[in-house]
Amino acid sequence: ELKVEQNPLFLSMQEGKNYTIYCNYSTTSDRLYWYRQDPGKSLESLFVLLSNGAVKQEGRLMASLDTKARLSTLHITAAVHDLSATYFCAVEPYGGSQGNLIFGKGTKLSVKP
Amino acid sequence: DAGVIQSPRHEVTEMGQEVTLRCKPISGHDYLFWYRQTMMRGLELLIYFNNNVPIDDSGMPEDRFSAKMPNASFSTLKIQPSEPRDSAVYFCASMLAGGVHNEQFFGPGTRLTVL
Repeated sequence: ELKVEQNPLFLSMQEGKNYTIYCNYSTTSDRLYWYRQDPGKSLESLFVLLSNGAVKQEGRLMASLDTKARLSTLHITAAVHDLSATYFCAVEPYGGSQGNLIFGKGTKLSVKP
Repeated sequence: DAGVIQSPRHEVTEMGQEVTLRCKPISGHDYLFWYRQTMMRGLELLIYFNNNVPIDDSGMPEDRFSAKMPNASFSTLKIQPSEPRDSAVYFCASMLAGGVHNEQFFGPGTRLTVL
């Protein structure tokens, strides 16, 4: 069974601190997506990682992909309250149907002053 | 572009009633996905369409659920009869395949409560 596991599932951080969210997956894939969801809102695309070693950065967030280890990380630098949200990673299995994403359970991030 | 449009945004109904959720994908997108999100099960793919044709409905939980896409700009997800355990947020997403990213764009969701 294909699995996408995120950890931690809950993360409480202080403003200004750094932390990393991990996304492990159990199948071959060269496409990995990170989404953000604010409470009561929809999912917003953050990053699309398409190859081994891919690194994308936007503001205080940086995502990377290691396809050999089947691992993606989302690193938060100097967290601010506005980053409080739930972050999902999603994997498109190699050789599978286009767009058939398997989502992790999400990491709920709370940034406190 | 207005993005993916879903209606209604909130629906409260009683057990046994029929519920119809609607979705308008982004113009030009050729894939449409229906998801369900609950606290217990997270985000689950129910069914998806390519060029209006259902490709995979293995995520549809029961025969009570059905989905149609009569044309490229409209899709429905119907639950008949509805049950309390169907209470969830239902998202529609669309995608233009064949590009570099295969990125899905999500609608605002429909929050369904079945009493």
